[in-house]
This record gives sequence, C-alpha cells and structure tokens, in this order.
Amino acid sequence: AQSVTQLGSHVSVSEGALVLLRCNYSSSVPPYLFWYVQYPNQGLQLLLKYTSAATLVKGINGFEAEFKKSETSFHLTKPSAHMSDAAEYFCAVSRRDFGNEKLTFGTGTRLTIIP
Amino acid sequence: NAGVTQTPKFQVLKTGQSMTLQCAQDMNHEYMSWYRQDPGMGLRLIHYSVGAGITDQGEVPNGYNVSRSTTEDFPLRLLSAAPSQTSVYFCASSLFKDRNYEQYFGPGTRLTVT
Repeated sequence: AQSVTQLGSHVSVSEGALVLLRCNYSSSVPPYLFWYVQYPNQGLQLLLKYTSAATLVKGINGFEAEFKKSETSFHLTKPSAHMSDAAEYFCAVSRRDFGNEKLTFGTGTRLTIIP
Repeated sequence: NAGVTQTPKFQVLKTGQSMTLQCAQDMNHEYMSWYRQDPGMGLRLIHYSVGAGITDQGEVPNGYNVSRSTTEDFPLRLLSAAPSQTSVYFCASSLFKDRNYEQYFGPGTRLTVT
C-alpha cells in the first residue's frame, strides 16, 4: 500500500519569499515521487520527479525537491516566490516495480502569493 | 503530436442518463488511466489499463466502465449518472520504458449531474 500526506491545504507566502510545500509518503517498496502543478481550469503539469537517481531533484520554474528516506519526505521548495506560482500543487507516489505504476495523489496544497 | 485529448470539455447530465467520456493519446503509451478530482480529495484513480485488452479497477470504480480495444483510446462510461459523479475527470497516459516514466494528463472534462 502507498499513500501521500500533504501538510497544509492552503499556504500563503509573500512575493519573493521562500516557498515550502510539505509532502510525506508511505510506501512498502522503494517509491517514485512526483510533484504536479495545476493552474485554474487546467490539467496537471509535471514539476519534477524522483526516480532513484539524485536525491535533490530540480524541476521547472525554479522548483526543487529533496527525497529524504529517513524522514519519508519529499518537500517542494522555491527560493523566491513569483505571482505566477499561484496554483494548486499535488504530491504523488508510485511503486517502483514494473506493472504497479498506479499514482496515488495527496489532497493538494493551494499556494497563494501575496503581492 | 497532440498528447492526451479529452472530449467533451463540459457536460451536464440528468440523473439516470448514461454517457461516455472520450480519451485518446497519440504517444503510443501502454498505460492509461482515469481519475476524478473533487475539492479537498486530490485525484482518485477510477480505472486503469496496462495495454490494449487489459483493464483493472482503481480506488473508486463503482458506477463506471472502461474498455481498451486500441492502444490509443480509453473511453470511460457512466452507466447511470448520479449527482455524486459530479466532478472533474482527467485521463492520463504513460510509458514505462526503462522504469523512467511520467504520466501525461489531458485537459479534463467537467461533468455536472443534476
């Protein structure tokens, strides 16, 4: 079984401030981990993914995430928030064994940027 | 290369009506799946397919049917619509070559059942 917990359904940060969105996972086998972003009335776009290479993963739009096995975490960060970062963010986990590629999503974190 | 396409974008149904949500991909992906998105609940897997002729249930399959007769298409059928099926539906596809994969999502279908 696998699951994802996103702490904080709503996060507000000032423009230029650090963005930190939290994700903890549970998986019985080594996981793949993903962050997706959803802008209003749009589909999901992949921000970044961890697939067992480097534990610090860089994604699009200046975002990065660090896989910490000891903490079962995969928090998403960005050093300086921009107004265009306002969106909903989803963390997701998948098993790393072939034939079990189902994604399990967290409930999402809505990020608001304060001018 | 259109990626993953979904039709229609919007649909309103009356309780008891049936309909099919269409999903197609042109990337020759093996894996396709349907999710529903509801406020505060993230995305939940309805059904998925690992190849033509093979489908399986996800987390919330009741009230939905799928089939996969071709690699490209993965329609989702609502047998008898209920207000609880009001949601945004996303189709996704992915390729599992070398265990390096990501899911590509369609733009979604917003369904309202009255």
